[in-house]
Amino acid sequence: DAGVTQSPTHLIKTRGQQVTLRCSPKSGHDTVSWYQQALGQGPQFIFQYYEEEERQRGNFPDRFSGHQFPNYSSELNVNALLLGDSALYLCASSLIGSTYSNQPQHFGDGTRLSIL
Amino acid sequence: SQQGEEDPQALSIQEGENATMNCSYKTSINNLQWYRQNSGRGLVHLILIRSNEREKHSGRLRVTLDTSKKSSSLLITASRAADTASYFCATRTYSGNTPLVFGKGTRLSVIA
Repeated sequence: DAGVTQSPTHLIKTRGQQVTLRCSPKSGHDTVSWYQQALGQGPQFIFQYYEEEERQRGNFPDRFSGHQFPNYSSELNVNALLLGDSALYLCASSLIGSTYSNQPQHFGDGTRLSIL
Repeated sequence: SQQGEEDPQALSIQEGENATMNCSYKTSINNLQWYRQNSGRGLVHLILIRSNEREKHSGRLRVTLDTSKKSSSLLITASRAADTASYFCATRTYSGNTPLVFGKGTRLSVIA
């Protein structure tokens, strides 16, 4: 049973560039959430995708955008990269609905993004 | 913004000792979850406690929840070197698939 997979594992970019990160959810899951984790901090919610639409969004600027595909996989895009975007980006998958609110989210190992 | 605050920020103990980490949060919750993160890796779910529960056990883990004080504690008994990691509490405020709100974490070091 494949868990959540993310690619790439590491990425180095320069300021002003654009980046795309990818996530495949755990088998059977339909919802993907993205989190940003700065060094020494807890993860912060960026947004959540379900049925190919952004359903909820955290306090992140429009430079952060995403997409979900019919096979439930997802991409996170960040434009006009800033030094402060350096972080570990985590993808988590789950099932939608109140029935599943007492189920944990399943996390991938993340993409480490470094901005020079 | 962070919902929870873990205490202490860092904890160093000897193998075989118990480790206790605390978490405080700000708003009413549906459930509270604890996750472990090994250095630079993803988060692994440890235990979930619902708002109507007061205590829960899983192996060497014991979690308590006091909704009147908006606080939770995670106890790891008979710690092992492999327990060395960062531990985060995360809250879910409503039923349904609302996002998790994490604290800043406790860094636990277990010395063999």
